[in-house]
Amino acid sequence: KAGVTQTPRYLIKTRGQQVTLSCSPISGHRSVSWYQQTPGQGLQFLFEYFSETQRNKGNFPGRFSGRQFSNSRSEMNVSTLELGDSALYLCASSPGTEGNTIYFGEGSWLTVV
Amino acid sequence: DQQVKQNSPSLSVQEGRISILNCDYTNSMFDYFLWYKKYPAEGPTFLISISSIKDKNEDGRFTVFLNKSAKHLSLHIVPSQPGDSAVYFCAANNAGNMLTFGGGTRLMVKP
Repeated sequence: KAGVTQTPRYLIKTRGQQVTLSCSPISGHRSVSWYQQTPGQGLQFLFEYFSETQRNKGNFPGRFSGRQFSNSRSEMNVSTLELGDSALYLCASSPGTEGNTIYFGEGSWLTVV
Repeated sequence: DQQVKQNSPSLSVQEGRISILNCDYTNSMFDYFLWYKKYPAEGPTFLISISSIKDKNEDGRFTVFLNKSAKHLSLHIVPSQPGDSAVYFCAANNAGNMLTFGGGTRLMVKP
């Protein structure tokens, strides 16, 4: 069974640009969530999508957005990039109900210069 | 305000001995707890979980203990192996699949 797949793995962007990251969850999983990891703030929840609807949202500015498609694949977008957005962005999937294990992808490493 | 805390940034143990990683939480609404192992620039790997209705869960060398009254959980690894060296995160869940993570503990297992 394939795991959570994230693309691209590494990317470099310039301040002010925008970026889109992609995530394919484990087959059959309907919940996809996104996390940001930085040295200073640790692992922080961005948002969760379930059946194409945003179910939970973390404390991030509106520049961070996401969506989920009917096949459960998800994308997250960051607009007007800032240097502080440099981070490892992690996608996680689960069947969707509470109490299920949440599995993470390898992450997309974003560097903003 | 940190709702999940791992107060030990690092832990060093000898191969074959027990590793005990600790985690404290403040939100009594958390009802599911998970432990992950992580290497730099990689995604967290799930290790073991526990529901708030239980006080212990075992899986091979890994055992998680939950003390709800103290709002404390711990991960025991017995016996510790050099390959266990990594950063360990505890995480708590209370709404959908929104995990709150602790700051992590770096475990070093010496041969």
